Amino acid sequence: GAVVSQHPSRVICKSGTSVKIECRSLDFQATTMFWYRQFPKQSLMLMATSNEGSKATYEQGVEKDKFLINHASLTLSTLTVTSAHPEDSSFYICSARDNPRDRKAFFGQGTRLTVV
Amino acid sequence: QKEVEQNSGPLSVPEGAIASLNCTYSDRGSQSFFWYRQYSGKSPELIMFIYSNGDKEDGRFTAQLNKASQYVSLLIRDSQPSDSATYLCAVRNAGGTSYGKLTFGQGTILTVHP
Repeated sequence: GAVVSQHPSRVICKSGTSVKIECRSLDFQATTMFWYRQFPKQSLMLMATSNEGSKATYEQGVEKDKFLINHASLTLSTLTVTSAHPEDSSFYICSARDNPRDRKAFFGQGTRLTVV
Repeated sequence: QKEVEQNSGPLSVPEGAIASLNCTYSDRGSQSFFWYRQYSGKSPELIMFIYSNGDKEDGRFTAQLNKASQYVSLLIRDSQPSDSATYLCAVRNAGGTSYGKLTFGQGTILTVHP
């Protein structure tokens, strides 16, 4: 399957600081990427859809000013968690389709964020 | 609210047995269905997808889809301890503002014991 690379895999930060997570499509161009969050023992919840060259579309209940998404190129989307709090500690995962007409989505390795 | 329901388990089967995982969904217009495997601490890995009614086989995995009943299942034959993981059912939403997005079930924990 297509390769989606996410970095970093783990990050620990202090409350009030910001953290940036990168998601790259390594062998294909992705006009759309998706950002999910997964709390322990829960399923994946879609946070936002990242669109290359335009604003991200956020799901209901997700604060766009807190979770900043930038999709500056066809191979890179970034998620910045601003002013992080302990309740933001979670597993953040991005995904992308290697073909806009293809219905399959592939996931990055995920980023374990711990806010202390 | 588009929903995907799975039995959270845990489902425990002996090595070599058939594991049967089930999923129901609420969006009748959905056309695309996926099974992901997620090991603890890792991100989901796509193992099967199915778009048409009936069965689809890939190695030890068989996905079954019944759109009339809004039901999709995954069978794992000759289960191995390495199959022990959480299996996530995902449905691609059909239309409206949710078009193209995936909705995930809560996952079924499968344990295959030697």
